Amino acid sequence: SAVISQKPSRDICQRGTSLTIQCQVDSQVTMMFWYRQQPGQSLTLIATANQGSEATYESGFVIDKFPISRPNLTFSTLTVSNMSPEDSSIYLCSVEEREGTEAFFGQGTRLTVV
Amino acid sequence: GQNIDQPTEMTATEGAIVQINCTYQTSGFNGLFWYQQHAGEAPTFLSYNVLDGLEEKGRFSSFLSRSKGYSYLLLKELQMKDSASYLCAVTDSNYQLIWGAGTKLIIKP
Repeated sequence: SAVISQKPSRDICQRGTSLTIQCQVDSQVTMMFWYRQQPGQSLTLIATANQGSEATYESGFVIDKFPISRPNLTFSTLTVSNMSPEDSSIYLCSVEEREGTEAFFGQGTRLTVV
Repeated sequence: GQNIDQPTEMTATEGAIVQINCTYQTSGFNGLFWYQQHAGEAPTFLSYNVLDGLEEKGRFSSFLSRSKGYSYLLLKELQMKDSASYLCAVTDSNYQLIWGAGTKLIIKP
C-alpha cells in the first residue's frame, strides 16, 4: 500500500495570501487526487493531478484559484490562492495505485483563514 | 445526478453490533468502498465489494446488493476505538469515486 506524506498538517493564514500544500508518495502512482472536506461533510474532489500536463478540475473549481503541479509520479502540490475564510477546510491528497482500486490518503491539511 | 445516502449519526453500546446502511444511485457501478475516518484524521480503507454478497474481515463485514443499490457495513463486538465516521463510496462507470457524507458512529460504554 502507498504511503503518503502531506504537509503542512495545519496552518492559519491571512486572507488574501496563498498556501501551497505538498504531497509526497513513497512509490510511483498513476492516479493522484486533491479533495476538500468541510466539517461533517463528504469529500469533494477538487481535481485530478496529471503528471506532465494540466490538472483536470471538477465543476466549481478553477486553476487560477487552485493551481496544481505534478512534476513526476510521486509528488504533487496544491496551492490555495487569494484565500478567504470560505476556504477554511481540510485538504486531502489521495492516490490510487490502479484505477478503481482503494484510495490511500495523506494525513490532510487543516487550513484556517482569518 | 449521482447520490449516496447514509445516516448522519448512529449510537451503539460497547460490545454490541451495529449496521450502517448505504444506498446509492450512480452512473454505472465499478465497486463500493467503506472507509473509516477518526476525527481530525484521514480516511482509511476498510472494505471493498464489487459482487453481490458478504465480505468478512475480522469484526467488520460489508454486504452489497447491486440490484437494490444497497450496501451495509456490520461492526461486531464494538470497541470504544470504533467511534469514528464511516464513509461509503462508489466507483462509477468512469472510475470516479462518489462519496457519501459519512455516518458518525458514537460508542457508549
